[in-house]
Amino acid sequence: DAGITQSPRHKVTETGTPVTLRCHQTENHRYMYWYRQDPGHGLRLIHYSYGVKDTDKGEVSDGYSVSRSKTEDFLLTLESATSSQTSVYFCAISGRDREQETQYFGPGTRLLVL
Amino acid sequence: ELKVEQNPLFLSMQEGKNYTIYCNYSTTSDRLYWYRQDPGKSLESLFVLLSNGAVKQEGRLMASLDTKARLSTLHITAAVHDLSATYFCAVEKGGGADGLTFGKGTHLIIQP
Repeated sequence: DAGITQSPRHKVTETGTPVTLRCHQTENHRYMYWYRQDPGHGLRLIHYSYGVKDTDKGEVSDGYSVSRSKTEDFLLTLESATSSQTSVYFCAISGRDREQETQYFGPGTRLLVL
Repeated sequence: ELKVEQNPLFLSMQEGKNYTIYCNYSTTSDRLYWYRQDPGKSLESLFVLLSNGAVKQEGRLMASLDTKARLSTLHITAAVHDLSATYFCAVEKGGGADGLTFGKGTHLIIQP
């Protein structure tokens, strides 16, 4: 299994509070991604990173920000959580420069915004 | 805008039968991925398909890619209960590593 951890694994928070989710990898992969999974929508890309301090927006980036100050860590922040951000959040990593390289997914974080 | 459509979205089948899941995508892509997800779990990579005509097999699962038709298939041979899961296809946009666009998934139930 790829060395990806996410923290926290479960979180309950209230509307309007800031929330930060952490993704940590031990594979030294260049590319990291944040997705959210919702019933009926599959997985949707929020933000991604192609190196330290290099990030870009995905399909559903509104209300989210990210930071990557180290290769191994990619943080996702909900500046002011809303109930529509209740979801399961997955981090993924990829080396990409190798043939057959896939995206490996972390265990996920279940977030409930009340 | 890249769109990925899977069908069927729900499939109930009996053990021992064969079936195919289809994945259509709307624009040119370099890579197509298949993942499996068990309830409450993360995604497990099954296949990465890189070129037109690519075919990969692992056990009772076989995936193929037709880039001209923008179509990938996941074929299940002689299904067994342990293959019950949700299967996703995903496509990488363009030539860069700027994330995957997923289909909505096929929820597969295999009954004894």
